[in-house]
Amino acid sequence: KAGVTQTPRYLIKTRGQQVTLSCSPISGHRSVSWYQQTPGQGLQFLFEYFSETQRNKGNFPGRFSGRQFSNSRSEMNVSTLELGDSALYLCASFRAEKTDTQYFGPGTRLTVL
Amino acid sequence: QKEVEQDPGPLSVPEGAIVSLNCTYSNSAFQYFMWYRQYSRKGPELLMYTYSSGNKEDGRFTAQVDKSSKYISLFIRDSQPSDSATYLCAMSGERSYIPTFGRGTSLIVHP
Repeated sequence: KAGVTQTPRYLIKTRGQQVTLSCSPISGHRSVSWYQQTPGQGLQFLFEYFSETQRNKGNFPGRFSGRQFSNSRSEMNVSTLELGDSALYLCASFRAEKTDTQYFGPGTRLTVL
Repeated sequence: QKEVEQDPGPLSVPEGAIVSLNCTYSNSAFQYFMWYRQYSRKGPELLMYTYSSGNKEDGRFTAQVDKSSKYISLFIRDSQPSDSATYLCAMSGERSYIPTFGRGTSLIVHP
């Protein structure tokens, strides 16, 4: 079974630009979560989608948004990039009823210059 | 105070040593406890999952949860250089299944 895939793997942007990251969950998984990982803050929860609906949201500004499509693929968008948005963005998919089987993708490394 | 505290290390041990990794937490509502391993440039992978208190063993790995002390541990026996990675603890409750992660402990096992 293919794992969680994320594209692109690496991205370099400049302040003020916007970026869109993509995540394809494991086949059959209907929930997708997004996390930001930085050395200073660790893994921080951004939001979670199930059946195209945002079910949970972390404590991030409105510049961070996401969506999920009918095939469970998800995208997250960051507008008006700031230097502090440089991080590894991780996507995880899991069966809706159990979080013990949460599987992470390899992440997208975003660098904001 | 963060909800989940984890010493970032690095923890350096010789091959074959028993490794003890720990996390403390403050939220008594946490019921599910997980350990993830993250290699450099990879996403975290689930190692162990425990519900409530007690021990769970899987090969060279043992997870322990002490809810009375709000303290969880991961033990690695006969550590190998391939165990060198960052280990993250995570926990969630009955109401909110979104896990809260520790910042991770960097483990280095040298030959």
